[in-house]
Amino acid sequence: SQKIEQNSEALNIQEGKTATLTCNYTNYSPAYLQWYRQDPGRGPVFLLLIRENEKEKRKERLKVTFDTTLKQSLFHITASQPADSATYLCAPHNYGQNFVFGPGTRLSVLP
Amino acid sequence: DVKVTQSSRYLVKRTGEKVFLECVQDMDHENMFWYRQDPGLGLRLIYFSYDVKMKEKGDIPEGYSVSREKKERFSLILESASTNQTSMYLCASSLPERETQYFGPGTRLLVL
Repeated sequence: SQKIEQNSEALNIQEGKTATLTCNYTNYSPAYLQWYRQDPGRGPVFLLLIRENEKEKRKERLKVTFDTTLKQSLFHITASQPADSATYLCAPHNYGQNFVFGPGTRLSVLP
Repeated sequence: DVKVTQSSRYLVKRTGEKVFLECVQDMDHENMFWYRQDPGLGLRLIYFSYDVKMKEKGDIPEGYSVSREKKERFSLILESASTNQTSMYLCASSLPERETQYFGPGTRLLVL
């Protein structure tokens, strides 16, 4: 069955450093992969989408890579700030299939 | 901006009660979804609808039903609430290609 793993349940980093979150998937051939941010008590908010033929995507301080050979996506936040503290969910997806989300990584950026 | 609203942020019900959770989206999206989110289990799809009066079961439909009489509104119904349905319920909508989902703020349901 399809399985999505995110590197760790929680990640603490110092303000100003680069946070790197990992998403690994098995038994999947996603056409694209999305990253969402979720704050406590709120619904997830879409951040970035990267397609299978794209290696890298950037948006301001965010960067996502997608390696279909390794079946992995990396999500980077550069110059991290305390306001970046949240849970980040990855969602590899293929058309015609139900959405499945990873369990999430809770990021804490310490001042 | 897409806006998805849910009827309640917090809800407390008793075992055996019938519970209605309402979701409304304002972007004319064809697809609407209901998820529940539990610690350690992540987001799990209960039901989704790709058109008015159409519905499909997700991964955990047992104990739930849905209704979509109008395009903008998708209701989740717990016919007889049980304590194991205590959870955070999230509604989402998307365009037909289903690429990006827009979530509501969630309803935290407590069943006593």
